Amino acid sequence: GENVEQHPSTLSVQEGDSAVIKCTYSDSASNYFPWYKQELGKRPQLIIDIRSNVGEKKDQRIAVTLNKTAKHFSLHITETQPEDSAVYFCAPGNTGNQFYFGTGTSLTVIP
Amino acid sequence: GAVVSQHPSRVICKSGTSVKIECRSLDFQATTMFWYRQFPKQSLMLMATSNEGSKATYEQGVEKDKFLINHASLTLSTLTVTSAHPEDSSFYICSARDLAGKRYNEQFFGPGTRLTVL
Repeated sequence: GENVEQHPSTLSVQEGDSAVIKCTYSDSASNYFPWYKQELGKRPQLIIDIRSNVGEKKDQRIAVTLNKTAKHFSLHITETQPEDSAVYFCAPGNTGNQFYFGTGTSLTVIP
Repeated sequence: GAVVSQHPSRVICKSGTSVKIECRSLDFQATTMFWYRQFPKQSLMLMATSNEGSKATYEQGVEKDKFLINHASLTLSTLTVTSAHPEDSSFYICSARDLAGKRYNEQFFGPGTRLTVL
């Protein structure tokens, strides 16, 4: 399967600061790039996604940027809040094929 | 729309028994479903792709005779963990894709099943 890595694996930020998580992947055929938030014991929740025909997408405090040439995409969270604390996963995929999850990033927002 | 359910949510069984987990798409037809396993503090690991009316495609390292997958209808896939052992204890999550809908790229997740093997 595709090799998907995330950095950093853990991240602590002060409330109100920004957080950035990077996802690198190996399959150049990937054309769909989602980010998920997972709370303990729960299913992953899609928080934002981007397709390969755009480079950036923003939804309020959350944004995703894509560099398809370099095969990486990043999650940006601004004005972080304690409720943003969770584990975040990327899972790049190709329409019609499987999705392989990244290694995960544990985000802690300190009040 | 695009709701996926899983049953049971929790199961505790004795070593050597078999456990069946159901994954249903409630408001759409899912020709493809995925089964993942997640150990504590780890990522979701894809186990297999379940295709309606045909054999499942297993990921490397996943024993197909131990993890039996059946996708007999467009709304139901089942995962049976045969002869379960303590090392099979994990969080099992299914997902489905609504290829006929507008959100065809996405996968919609079930709530997961916590399996504990004693």
